Amino acid sequence: EVQLQESGPGLVKPSQSLSLTCSVTGYSITSNYWGWIRKFPGNKMEWMGYISYSGSTSYNPSLKSRISITRDTSKNQFFLQLNSVTTEDTATYYCARYLLLQCLDYWGQGVMVTVSS
Amino acid sequence: DIRMTQSPASLSASLGETVNIECLASEDIYSDLAWYQQKPGKSPQLLIYNANSLQNGVPSRFSGSGSGTQYSLKINSLQSEDVATYFCQQYNNYPTFGSGTKLEIK
Repeated sequence: EVQLQESGPGLVKPSQSLSLTCSVTGYSITSNYWGWIRKFPGNKMEWMGYISYSGSTSYNPSLKSRISITRDTSKNQFFLQLNSVTTEDTATYYCARYLLLQCLDYWGQGVMVTVSS
Repeated sequence: DIRMTQSPASLSASLGETVNIECLASEDIYSDLAWYQQKPGKSPQLLIYNANSLQNGVPSRFSGSGSGTQYSLKINSLQSEDVATYFCQQYNNYPTFGSGTKLEIK
């Protein structure tokens, strides 16, 4: 069974970088596409970007200058880095697997990240 | 970006009832639409993709329809385990989501 699990610090200071890891079991990240999505307080959801089976990436234009998604295929993990965070980046962050680069068929449990001094 | 307007924001219905949730896209998304269910404290679960294709393992009381800019999710014979927030997502352009519908049992 495909399982994803996010990990990372729950508290980040403004202007610092947010770094999260998604650990995948039951499926290789060298197949399919793998994404990051966040859900803000108030329930608005935002697609952040993805990394493909080959390592290519695509990002939400609103985040393009601050975001980086990378991977470690030897550990079957992919990563999110978001730079220069503000309080508006406070959200629950999810990693997920794409179904045919369309919708998302497996999601992690999510990790809540608060940006605060 | 493509804006997804979802309605209603909340919905209360009785067990056994049929409910409908709507999503309106700001432009034609050519059926590139998915529906998800998120129960409290859980991760989202894919219900429907390509507007009307039922994801494996999802009960047949869930169905999706629509085309162009207008789409809907129908839940027949509402059951207690259907209490959740439902949201739509388009993937015709970079993905955007509806604002969610919170479904409760009356």
